Amino acid sequence: GESVGLHLPTLSVQEGDNSIINCAYSNSASDYFIWYKQESGKGPQFIIDIRSNMDKRQGQRVTVLLNKTVKHLSLQIAATQPGDSAVYFCAERSNNNDMRFGAGTRLTVKP
Amino acid sequence: GAVVSQHPSRVICKSGTSVKIECRSLDFQATTMFWYRQFPKQSLMLMATSNEGSKATYEQGVEKDKFLINHASLTLSTLTVTSAHPEDSSFYICSAALAGAGELFFGEGSRLTVL
Repeated sequence: GESVGLHLPTLSVQEGDNSIINCAYSNSASDYFIWYKQESGKGPQFIIDIRSNMDKRQGQRVTVLLNKTVKHLSLQIAATQPGDSAVYFCAERSNNNDMRFGAGTRLTVKP
Repeated sequence: GAVVSQHPSRVICKSGTSVKIECRSLDFQATTMFWYRQFPKQSLMLMATSNEGSKATYEQGVEKDKFLINHASLTLSTLTVTSAHPEDSSFYICSAALAGAGELFFGEGSRLTVL
């Protein structure tokens, strides 16, 4: 069936470096995507979203890029900080208007 | 921002008992709420879509008689795990969407441990 997946399950970066987390999706009909951050024992926290009519959106220290041609989504975090350590999920809104999550990437920031 | 509250945050029960988890949208009305399940080190798996005033829509493989969902008002949805067994131990998370907006707001999750 349709699915959302991630290329890398873990990512380790040095504090201050930029982080890039990738996500591949397969449902070409998806029209809305969100990146979530989840810390241990907590619910997902919204980071940034993007609609399918856009290819880039910037927030505070974060940028989401959408490439519909290859069905690829990425999250860029600038000047990564220890507080950014968490699991990051991409999610897509499907035809039924529900959100489905990818496998997740654990980001570890080394001091 | 919109707040979704879940209760209880942690629950431990004996095998065979039923457990109810509440999901409330505190400052907005949610015609639709979603229930997810998350096993350790895994992603969130959509269990069902809860619609106010009507029956929930369950994902394939999710037993509707096992996981009873009630969405009695625009601010409350409940998930009842009936006759719980150790394999039902998991992190259950609800979410709700603002009408007209795509973003989902998530509760803090409820960790169920079945002994």
